[in-house]
Amino acid sequence: KAGVTQTPRYLIKTRGQQVTLSCSPISGHRSVSWYQQTPGQGLQFLFEYFSETQRNKGNFPGRFSGRQFSNSRSEMNVSTLELGDSALYLCASSLKRSVSNTEAFFGQGTRLTVV
Amino acid sequence: GENVEQHPSTLSVQEGDSAVIKCTYSDSASNYFPWYKQELGKGPQLIIDIRSNVGEKKDQRIAVTLNKTAKHFSLHITETQPEDSAVYFCAAVNRDDKIIFGKGTRLHILP
Repeated sequence: KAGVTQTPRYLIKTRGQQVTLSCSPISGHRSVSWYQQTPGQGLQFLFEYFSETQRNKGNFPGRFSGRQFSNSRSEMNVSTLELGDSALYLCASSLKRSVSNTEAFFGQGTRLTVV
Repeated sequence: GENVEQHPSTLSVQEGDSAVIKCTYSDSASNYFPWYKQELGKGPQLIIDIRSNVGEKKDQRIAVTLNKTAKHFSLHITETQPEDSAVYFCAAVNRDDKIIFGKGTRLHILP
């Protein structure tokens, strides 16, 4: 069965712009989580959506937002981009919510570069 | 704030030897500790996990140990093979279901 699909794979944006990233989970998975990966800060949890509701949130500013649709696909949005937002953005899907109760499967990520 | 320290940041071992990666967590309420392997150009993949009520878990060549008192846990890979070369991340999940990752260990398996 198809894995987690993230689009686009690569993106270049200018400071001040906004960006939307997309994640299609594995069929049947209802939970989608988003992560930011940078060389300096490593892997950091952004937020988790389950059944179209945000269930958990990491320590990121309000410029980072997301949503989940009825088909479990999810998007994340970053507004007023800063150079420090350059990162690999990963999404992961799982059958159930709660990272400790179910295995999460990661996509390959979207590499965002802010110039 | 909550923190997970991971050491070493880079590790080179001869093929066939063992590799050990160590992590320390700060939140004593953490109750779940997964380990992920990330290969170049791919997302992380769960390779083994351990819960706070267990001291050790093994899966073929991979094992994880947990010392709750000292708040540290370790990944052990025995009989290393070239395909073990990757970046490994430890993580701790607290009772609010927040996951905190270590900074990662780049493991090189030398021929």
